[in-house]
Amino acid sequence: KAGVTQTPRYLIKTRGQQVTLSCSPISGHRSVSWYQQTPGQGLQFLFEYFSETQRNKGNFPGRFSGRQFSNSRSEMNVSTLELGDSALYLCASSYNSGANVLTFGAGSRLTVL
Amino acid sequence: AQKVTQAQTEISVVEKEDVTLDCVYETRDTTYYLFWYKQPPSGELVFLIRRNSFDEQNEISGRYSWNFQKSTSSFNFTITASQVVDSAVYFCALSVLNNAGNMLTFGGGTRLMVKP
Repeated sequence: KAGVTQTPRYLIKTRGQQVTLSCSPISGHRSVSWYQQTPGQGLQFLFEYFSETQRNKGNFPGRFSGRQFSNSRSEMNVSTLELGDSALYLCASSYNSGANVLTFGAGSRLTVL
Repeated sequence: AQKVTQAQTEISVVEKEDVTLDCVYETRDTTYYLFWYKQPPSGELVFLIRRNSFDEQNEISGRYSWNFQKSTSSFNFTITASQVVDSAVYFCALSVLNNAGNMLTFGGGTRLMVKP
């Protein structure tokens, strides 16, 4: 059974650019969550999508957005990148939504120069 | 709002020593779940355990054991006879069941280094 797949694994952008990260959940999982991990702020919840609807959103500016497609794959987008957006972005999936056990991907490491 | 505190940022032990990772949480919700995840150098968070707020039974799984105490709002994790492969960052996390979906509030993590 394939795990959670995130692409790209590494990317470098410059300030002001935008970036799109992709996440393919475990087959059959309907919930996809995104987390940002930085040395200073730790692991912080970005948002969760369940059956193509945003279920919940963390305390991040509107530059951070996401969506989920009918096949449960999800993308997150960050516009007008700032240096502080450099982080490991982790995607996680589960079958249902509600304090479920999450299966995490290996993450996309974004560096903003 | 929820909060999880892992006071130990880094612990170093010698192989075969026992080690306990502390976790203290705060929530006003009465129904919640507590988790432990492990993050090896590869970066992927690996699930270890989930407990709900109504189940205070301690749990043992091989060399791992967990002590959940609602009276002190703690959910501590003990590794017995540690091994080098246990070296990783360990995260305690909390999720409430009040329409918050799967949102996890993580502690800051404890980096465990097991030396041979």
